[in-house]
Amino acid sequence: QKEVEQDPGPLSVPEGAIVSLNCTYSNSAFQYFMWYRQYSRKGPELLMYTYSSGNKEDGRFTAQVDKSSKYISLFIRDSQPSDSATYLCPPQGGSEKLVFGKGTKLTVNP
Amino acid sequence: DTAVSQTPKYLVTQMGNDKSIKCEQNLGHDTMYWYKQDSKKFLKIMFSYNNKELIINETVPNRFSPKSPDKAHLNLHINSLELGDSAVYFCASSQRPFRSGDEQYFGPGTRLTVT
Repeated sequence: QKEVEQDPGPLSVPEGAIVSLNCTYSNSAFQYFMWYRQYSRKGPELLMYTYSSGNKEDGRFTAQVDKSSKYISLFIRDSQPSDSATYLCPPQGGSEKLVFGKGTKLTVNP
Repeated sequence: DTAVSQTPKYLVTQMGNDKSIKCEQNLGHDTMYWYKQDSKKFLKIMFSYNNKELIINETVPNRFSPKSPDKAHLNLHINSLELGDSAVYFCASSQRPFRSGDEQYFGPGTRLTVT
């Protein structure tokens, strides 16, 4: 079983839609849960991170972590064309190494 | 004032050649990384250095040799390039080693094509 798996995508939504991006992970040692956003032909950049279980909100973005089910979600409200990117959810724990999945490519159509 | 910079941005070369990619960070971070992103978009760590010392060395062919002359620089030298080495290579840095949760700052990537 891979350490982290994401919804494969790609995902295409109209502008203004609510987007849900999801990941599952296998290693219960993970404690930090991050969302990175990668625009085409750019390096990933940190969008949000959450420690342990719970919710975290930042503007139009909400990150949720459920450690009991090893499930991570990112919700985007009022999605914009500028949100079009690949989203990565590398969990982390015990070392500085991030474990990346394949990412979910999101396209928000004007 | 780019935080993490890489050169070159594009690299096209033939099989068997040796090439280097350079990375510099001006964030004052202690830890630097090399990642490989293949055509399927998987981002995999290759190496990590902390204060010029190698701390992570994933299963990478020994044709790949990282070198860190100082904390701000981490270069990647690749010998005898193969077709399968074609990928985008990202350099990254973070402030504190061995501390989970620290943001990693990525460079713009070097797109390597081996023909």
